Amino acid sequence: DAGVIQSPRHEVTEMGQEVTLRCKPISGHNSLFWYRQTMMRGLELLIYFNNNVPIDDSGMPEDRFSAKMPNASFSTLKIQPSEPRDSAVYFCASSLNSQGRNEKLFFGSGTQLSVL
Amino acid sequence: AQSVTQPDIHITVSEGASLELRCNYSYGATPYLFWYVQSPGQGLQLLLKYFSGDTLVQGIKGFEAEFKRSQSSFNLRKPSVHWSDAAEYFCAVGSTGGGNKLTFGTGTQLKVEL
Repeated sequence: DAGVIQSPRHEVTEMGQEVTLRCKPISGHNSLFWYRQTMMRGLELLIYFNNNVPIDDSGMPEDRFSAKMPNASFSTLKIQPSEPRDSAVYFCASSLNSQGRNEKLFFGSGTQLSVL
Repeated sequence: AQSVTQPDIHITVSEGASLELRCNYSYGATPYLFWYVQSPGQGLQLLLKYFSGDTLVQGIKGFEAEFKRSQSSFNLRKPSVHWSDAAEYFCAVGSTGGGNKLTFGTGTQLKVEL
């Protein structure tokens, strides 16, 4: 398996532009997570899905952020409009949730987002 | 709400020396506990996990961790550090039910001196 695949690896955009980050989880995994990593705040859980359904989006900073999972093999995280304070590394992770428990998260390599 | 504290932001050890990285958690019930490692430019990789049973758990790359309920701690140890262990280490606590949401600590950056 190729692991969790995120695209793009790097994104540089200007303030006010729309940004879309993409994630393909490991085949067969039924949980998907979006994390944001910054020096100041460390790793923050933004949202996670179970069986394509959003379970907890309390970590989404504000309405400018939205996430979708239209099917089991694809998810997007969208920021519109983007702001410089959104600059961070965004990680997608997937897991096989068995009996209500995620035993192991597999992380993608992340998307380095820079908003100028 | 669950939370994790890693009190050491940076640690430097000599190659061959022993290592202990500290982790304290806050959670109302029996927690699920994890240690992950992140190499530069990479995502996180699971080192080991604790769900129940034996409080001393073994992981990959020669790491182990001990769950101490009385101290709310889950410290990571390695008897002899290798230069390739230089990385950032994250402790995480998972909630029971609700899909098992993971909360990470702020991480400890490990530097290994040759």
